[in-house]
Amino acid sequence: EVQLLESGGGLVQPGGSLRLSCAASGFTFSRFAISWVRQAPGKGLEWVSVSGSVGSGGSTTYYADSVKGRFTISRDNSKGTVYLQMNSLRAEDTAVYYCAKQFSSAWFYLDYWGQGTLVTVSS
Amino acid sequence: QSALTQPPSVSGSPGQSVTISCTGTSGDVGSYNRVSWYQQPPGTAPKLMIYEVTNRPSGVPDRFSGSKSGNTASLTISGLQAEDEADYYCSSYTSSNTLLFGGGTKLTVL
Repeated sequence: EVQLLESGGGLVQPGGSLRLSCAASGFTFSRFAISWVRQAPGKGLEWVSVSGSVGSGGSTTYYADSVKGRFTISRDNSKGTVYLQMNSLRAEDTAVYYCAKQFSSAWFYLDYWGQGTLVTVSS
Repeated sequence: QSALTQPPSVSGSPGQSVTISCTGTSGDVGSYNRVSWYQQPPGTAPKLMIYEVTNRPSGVPDRFSGSKSGNTASLTISGLQAEDEADYYCSSYTSSNTLLFGGGTKLTVL
């Protein structure tokens, strides 16, 4: 059974940092891209970043403009885990952060999602 | 980059059909058949319902169908059921190698 489990969320002050983790199981982790998608309270979905699979070159990463230069995605295939390092956090980064697995051969379709971890940026 | 445009809400009675539109630009929906749709009931994670404009993943009822014309994609749900009540989001790959979601549409089954 495919499972994705996010952790690392919490309360952080503006300008602070936080690292989220997404632990995956139930599939061949290295073969699939993993994305982070966030949802501010009562708002819609916003794609944040993707870490490509080994087949895509392994180090392929993309970011939304809203987080570029502040967030860094990485993965450890030996641990089946993707990380999201978030620096220079702002109030508008407050959201539930989901990690999601690539569907089929395309990273931009997401078939399995975790339950999310809440990040609150507030003083 | 602005979100894809969806109507905030739609509604229909059980057994009826509803269509949710999703309007983008030539840099996303209009240039790629890489549109997908997600269903998100309250308090749960999203579920992939449609990918590549018209395709359904295994297990998704054929009451759900997708289409696209120009810069606008659409999701049609026929034979509405109470369990279909949820928020629906479209998404599209973009020319900037990013993924763009719509603002979401709340479906109410009357």
